[in-house]
Amino acid sequence: DGGITQSPKYLFRKEGQNVTLSCEQNLNHDAMYWYRQDPGQGLRLIYYSQIVNDFQKGDIAEGYSVSREKKESFPLTVTSAQKNPTAFYLCASSINGEYYEQYFGPGTRLTVT
Amino acid sequence: QKEVEQNSGPLSVPEGAIASLNCTYSDRGSQSFFWYRQYSGKSPELIMSIYSNGDKEDGRFTAQLNKASQYVSLLIRDSQPSDSATYLCAVTQYSSASKIIFGSGTRLSIRP
Repeated sequence: DGGITQSPKYLFRKEGQNVTLSCEQNLNHDAMYWYRQDPGQGLRLIYYSQIVNDFQKGDIAEGYSVSREKKESFPLTVTSAQKNPTAFYLCASSINGEYYEQYFGPGTRLTVT
Repeated sequence: QKEVEQNSGPLSVPEGAIASLNCTYSDRGSQSFFWYRQYSGKSPELIMSIYSNGDKEDGRFTAQLNKASQYVSLLIRDSQPSDSATYLCAVTQYSSASKIIFGSGTRLSIRP
């Protein structure tokens, strides 16, 4: 079964702690993305990567970090510097090409108290 | 001005009728346009892609694109209660085709 997996589905952390969200895909897609969604709002791009060992900041990268050591994996770390980390985090992937259709994983809901 | 604008709704449509969802975008150079469906608490699901002016049909869904007016729409025929969801319009950026800008979504409710 090809797809994108994100784990865990729900994550709870105390303020001041760093936390890493997992994203794995077996679709052989080149590009991977991280978005954040807040209640009643659209998706905002955090980071994206078009090839292994390379990534770019999106619109709201402050307080987040990523790595892309393998084509299949694109973990996101939410650091203690992120002021409002509680949100729904979505990972997506696409083939690099003409159209860039993005497909999403199931998401991780992070709550920081 | 927002880059991708949608009416937030809710849009209420009777079962069996046609639901019409609209989206405008500001980047005149955008090349690819997408509609995603998102059920409450779930991740977005790609339901339609359109790349050239005109209509594209897939089952009960029709996407319409007018690049001159910077307007894209989604029609859902024979609306079903299972169509009740938030629909996100998404558009690629001319400056970076791998980046997609999402609208805030239109909440659609199909009433029996």
